[in-house]
Amino acid sequence: KAGVTQTPRYLIKTRGQQVTLSCSPISGHRSVSWYQQTPGQGLQFLFEYFSETQRNKGNFPGRFSGRQFSNSRSEMNVSTLELGDSALYLCASRAGQGEDTQYFGPGTRLTVL
Amino acid sequence: KNEVEQSPQNLTAQEGEFITINCSYSVGISALHWLQQHPGGGIVSLFMLSSGKKKHGRLIATINIQEKHSSLHITASHPRDSAVYICAVWASGSRLTFGEGTQLTVNP
Repeated sequence: KAGVTQTPRYLIKTRGQQVTLSCSPISGHRSVSWYQQTPGQGLQFLFEYFSETQRNKGNFPGRFSGRQFSNSRSEMNVSTLELGDSALYLCASRAGQGEDTQYFGPGTRLTVL
Repeated sequence: KNEVEQSPQNLTAQEGEFITINCSYSVGISALHWLQQHPGGGIVSLFMLSSGKKKHGRLIATINIQEKHSSLHITASHPRDSAVYICAVWASGSRLTFGEGTQLTVNP
């Protein structure tokens, strides 16, 4: 099976712009979670989608949003970018809703100038 | 205080040494992950465990639910084991909570 894929891998934006990141889970996986990793804060949970529904959301402002499509692919959007949004954004998929092994994508490295 | 604490934050070892990384958590959990992150960002799940002990090659993970503590051991360490090791727990809901990571460097 192909692993979790994320596009793009690298992105440079300027403050105030918006960005959309994409994640394709492992075939058959219905749960997709998004995480932000920064040197200062480490890994932090953004949100999780299961069967097109957001099941859980972390403590991030409303500028961070996401969605999941019927084929389980997911997108996350960040509007009105700030310098502090520069980070590695990781998505992970798992088969079910409960505690299960998560499979991580390679990440999208976002730089906001 | 973080819900998940790891120690040490940094660890340097010589090739062949036995390595232990510790993880303590303060919340009730249903399972715990040990993750490995190499430079460049990719994260691999090494283990997920909710009790006892698991072994995969030179890696061993243990968990003591009563003491809220887990350890990751690497036997006969090798330079290719150099990476950041992250402990993450499934607490309430469906989110993972992460420790800050342990940077391991194994010198030849």
